[in-house]
Amino acid sequence: SAVISQKPSRDICQRGTSLTIQCQVDSQVTMMFWYRQQPGQSLTLIATANQGSEATYESGFVIDKFPISRPNLTFSTLTVSNMSPEDSSIYLCSAGQGDNGQETQYFGPGTRLLVL
Amino acid sequence: SQQGEEDPQALSIQEGENATMNCSYKTSINNLQWYRQNSGRGLVHLILIRSNEREKHSGRLRVTLDTSKKSSSLLITASRAADTASYFCATDPMDSSYKLIFGSGTRLLVRP
Repeated sequence: SAVISQKPSRDICQRGTSLTIQCQVDSQVTMMFWYRQQPGQSLTLIATANQGSEATYESGFVIDKFPISRPNLTFSTLTVSNMSPEDSSIYLCSAGQGDNGQETQYFGPGTRLLVL
Repeated sequence: SQQGEEDPQALSIQEGENATMNCSYKTSINNLQWYRQNSGRGLVHLILIRSNEREKHSGRLRVTLDTSKKSSSLLITASRAADTASYFCATDPMDSSYKLIFGSGTRLLVRP
């Protein structure tokens, strides 16, 4: 299984600022994803982080608000831009491994963000 | 949008009892995965069941999948206080690129 780390583990930020979250996988993986989990809710996919090209965003999420980078097969960043209190959530990255299209996804520990 | 709905939303049982959680989904899938989350932390992968499988076991966990009913269940036998957590099902729809769609989750409390 893939071991995934995220930095920072938590942060408290002021409205209007931006925060970049880093995700590091201990092995090369095909797929990397970013999810948001709002308080007391389930996970919602923000985007697929594509290596060497622009991320693929889900409905309701845009690149200007959540720019994503993936420079190689083990690393990705998510930036939460121009933050507001509604962005207070846990942000999780995941990585997919598997053969024959049967991808098991492993998750990082998450970044808990509070926006004041 | 969430594809999966889970029930019950919350479950409270005594240590040693079995816990059953159910998940329903809407579209055809490649596989379905179950995860555990402790107190808003990261997700721990429990088990993956493929669309052509009907039942899978891992330790005290038993997962079933009924693709005709678009439903799955997770059974935890002989529960322990350490099993207290939120449990999520997640589906990999056939029309997606390995993107997981998460259910609403079941909050399990195992009383010592």
